Amino acid sequence: GIQVEQSPPDLILQEGANSTLRCNFSDSVNNLQWFHQNPWGQLINLFYIPSGTKQNGRLSATTVATERYSLLYISSSQTTDSGVYFCAASGNTPLVFGKGTRLSVIA
Amino acid sequence: GAGVSQTPSNKVTEKGKYVELRCDPISGHTALYWYRQSLGQGPEFLIYFQGTGAADDSGLPNDRFFAVRPEGSVSTLKIQRTERGDSAVYLCASSLSPSGGAKFFGPGTRLTVL
Repeated sequence: GIQVEQSPPDLILQEGANSTLRCNFSDSVNNLQWFHQNPWGQLINLFYIPSGTKQNGRLSATTVATERYSLLYISSSQTTDSGVYFCAASGNTPLVFGKGTRLSVIA
Repeated sequence: GAGVSQTPSNKVTEKGKYVELRCDPISGHTALYWYRQSLGQGPEFLIYFQGTGAADDSGLPNDRFFAVRPEGSVSTLKIQRTERGDSAVYLCASSLSPSGGAKFFGPGTRLTVL
């Protein structure tokens, strides 16, 4: 089945800094999503982005399907951005998750 | 409803007991998924339903795990003879269709087996 790898596994940022999280996937996909898991464990949908670029406030994402990767950009980070960011992808099977990037934003 | 709901939010049980976890998907979503998340890991797929039928149960770890969705809406995940290794957060998700479109997750049920 499809493999999903995320990097870096851990990231510490000073408040106000920018960051880029990467997701590589092993096969063609028709679904790719980015989630933020908050401290209570809820998976919050950030982007549904099997291809192209989207922006939502300080967050944006780009998926280059032909090269099998997606990037999540966080600009002007805030302490509330802390948590685990998951990428999940699928072709004709249910979503497969990466192991996540744990982000800590320090004031 | 506005989102996927799951009950209970927490369940503590003793080894060997039977538990049921419930998921209410977003109204109109035909596809429903169960995942399990252990501490420090990403969610892992268990089973998904398209309508009333289980379309893919390849992620169920063994025959102690079973899930139903008799009317194509609410689903129940059933675990028999629970073991300490079953302790995890069980997540449910739904989507308009399985072939594409965003999947939306519920808040999860934290299961602790003592």
